[in-house]
Amino acid sequence: AQSVTQPDIHITVSEGASLELRCNYSYGATPYLFWYVQSPGQGLQLLLKYFSGDTLVQGIKGFEAEFKRSQSSFNLRKPSVHWSDAAEYFCALDGGNTPLVFGKGTRLSVIA
Amino acid sequence: DAGVIQSPRHEVTEMGQEVTLRCKPISGHDYLFWYRQTMMRGLELLIYFNNNVPIDDSGMPEDRFSAKMPNASFSTLKIQPSEPRDSAVYFCASSTPGNLARTDTQYFGPGTRLTVL
Repeated sequence: AQSVTQPDIHITVSEGASLELRCNYSYGATPYLFWYVQSPGQGLQLLLKYFSGDTLVQGIKGFEAEFKRSQSSFNLRKPSVHWSDAAEYFCALDGGNTPLVFGKGTRLSVIA
Repeated sequence: DAGVIQSPRHEVTEMGQEVTLRCKPISGHDYLFWYRQTMMRGLELLIYFNNNVPIDDSGMPEDRFSAKMPNASFSTLKIQPSEPRDSAVYFCASSTPGNLARTDTQYFGPGTRLTVL
């Protein structure tokens, strides 16, 4: 069965510091992978997606993610976090026969 | 495009009442999804449609929940009778197939926050 695991429920970083949010997936083939962000009181917005090709994917708001098949991971990174990045981040997988499977989410807090 | 539109944004009702949530997907999108989000269970897929036809409703919690999509521009999620444990944020999302006929990016509405007293 396909699944997505986000090991960190809550992460706190200082403004200006780098960020890495972890995502691991379980799927028998190459999945489509997505990162979504949810600001308080809002719906989910796509940050970036990986379908094939270059394993380093650039997204909006300065985010990037790297697909590592050997580690079944698709970690999200940002070199310098801004206070406005405080939100909930969801990793998701599309295995092809079913729609997106979401992880439980990681809540990001940004401190001054 | 205005994006996915959901109404109402907030709904407060009493236990036993019927609740109807509405969704207008992005024009041209042929997939529509209903999700429920709670602190305890996270984001759960309830049901999804393709070309107005329900494809998978295995996530619908029980018979009190029903969803319809009478046309390409409108869908409803109905709870009858509502219970306090139905309190959650309900999201609608739409998408269109990308390569290889797989669903691509889902575009989410702002959600309806439902409180059942």
